[in-house]
Amino acid sequence: AQKVTQAQTEISVVEKEDVTLDCVYETRDTTYYLFWYKQPPSGELVFLIRRNSFDEQNEISGRYSWNFQKSTSSFNFTITASQVVDSAVYFCALSGQAGTALIFGKGTTLSVSS
Amino acid sequence: DVKVTQSSRYLVKRTGEKVFLECVQDMDHENMFWYRQDPGLGLRLIYFSYDVKMKEKGDIPEGYSVSREKKERFSLILESASTNQTSMYLCASSSRDRGPSYEQYFGPGTRLTVT
Repeated sequence: AQKVTQAQTEISVVEKEDVTLDCVYETRDTTYYLFWYKQPPSGELVFLIRRNSFDEQNEISGRYSWNFQKSTSSFNFTITASQVVDSAVYFCALSGQAGTALIFGKGTTLSVSS
Repeated sequence: DVKVTQSSRYLVKRTGEKVFLECVQDMDHENMFWYRQDPGLGLRLIYFSYDVKMKEKGDIPEGYSVSREKKERFSLILESASTNQTSMYLCASSSRDRGPSYEQYFGPGTRLTVT
């Protein structure tokens, strides 16, 4: 069975701190896809990144970076120099080879205070 | 830009009513999905559709049905609304042409309250 675990329910940081959101997944598929979504207070989920199982390169996009490690089945998300606008719920998700719908983790609520 | 719209942002219905939640996407996507989001449970898949008139059950289909008569529209139906169906409902769509698991684009959600 496929499963995504986000062990951190809530994280609170002060602006300019770095913060890492953890994501651990389980799957028996050899080909799979991992995603991160952001849900700001407005409610709409915003796509951040997709990673294929055969591409373990880490990725950086501005203040955001992602660390994908198949050996530990983890796909962690780091925000560098956090800002108040980063406050949101962040979801990690998994999709299998069959192309079925996403399996979501329960989300991590990030609060960044000024 | 991909646009997924949902018919209502907020909806209040009475127990036993039949409820229709509408979702429309404008990017000619083949795949459409309905999720519900509850605190502490994340998003859970109710139904999805890979083509017109096609539907597949997700993880929690009980109490729901769907309809996809046109490619751009995917409707979620609560046959007889109950209080435990009070939730946030999110619709999403994705393209099959770019691969089966490419990113899903989400609508703004409908917060349904059943009293």
